[in-house]
Amino acid sequence: QAVLTQPSSLSASPGASASLTCTLRSGINVGTYMIYWYQQKPGSPPQFLLRYKSDSDKQQGSGVPSRFSGSKDASANAGILLISGLQSEDEADYYCMIWHSSAVVFGGGTKLTVL
Amino acid sequence: QVQLVQSGAEVKKPGASVKVSCKASGYTFTSYDISWVRQATGQGLEWMGWMNPNSGNTGYAQKFQGRVTMTRDTSISTAYMELSSLRSEDTAVYYCARTLRGTEFRYYYMDVWGKGTTVTVSS
Repeated sequence: QAVLTQPSSLSASPGASASLTCTLRSGINVGTYMIYWYQQKPGSPPQFLLRYKSDSDKQQGSGVPSRFSGSKDASANAGILLISGLQSEDEADYYCMIWHSSAVVFGGGTKLTVL
Repeated sequence: QVQLVQSGAEVKKPGASVKVSCKASGYTFTSYDISWVRQATGQGLEWMGWMNPNSGNTGYAQKFQGRVTMTRDTSISTAYMELSSLRSEDTAVYYCARTLRGTEFRYYYMDVWGKGTTVTVSS
């Protein structure tokens, strides 16, 4: 079982909100991890969006709009990236990441389609 | 502005080595780690390791141990990643990224990325 699991795709309408999940493998408690989120558009490197551990320990990336926010769902053992007020420019791949066992682990990525 | 400029595309034969460079500007090179991440076409991100340009300390992903070497030349603010014993599965875009690392890895993330270097391994 992968350390981080993301749905491969998600579709949402302009103006709506999209909730992208990053589920940690059973036995790895999301509460103890900082979750990092990246956005990647075709032909471009990833861009850091934000990091989230708790409401008191989080940081937005430089220039990242506030409509991108992070949270956790402890019951699902998952990190969440919420994008509100979806715009066509938000169409991209989104990756979650954690530091685990002295290494970086990326989720497989979610392709967000805005249509 | 903060920038990482990577070397150009490479084509290598199986079994060869490749060395990719990453020149930093717009910030103090020795104040931030450098991470290397690769991405095969149509695939996700794969972390290879990190290097502290100040100390030269490195940490490599287990998958690449013994095959990857990360070095730096502080006089020209440049980091290098060398991958040896190349195989076709190493064909990918290789990114360097400026990395912020907290004490005892309380946080660790890449905030500025290079544009990537395409490495093609083909006979």
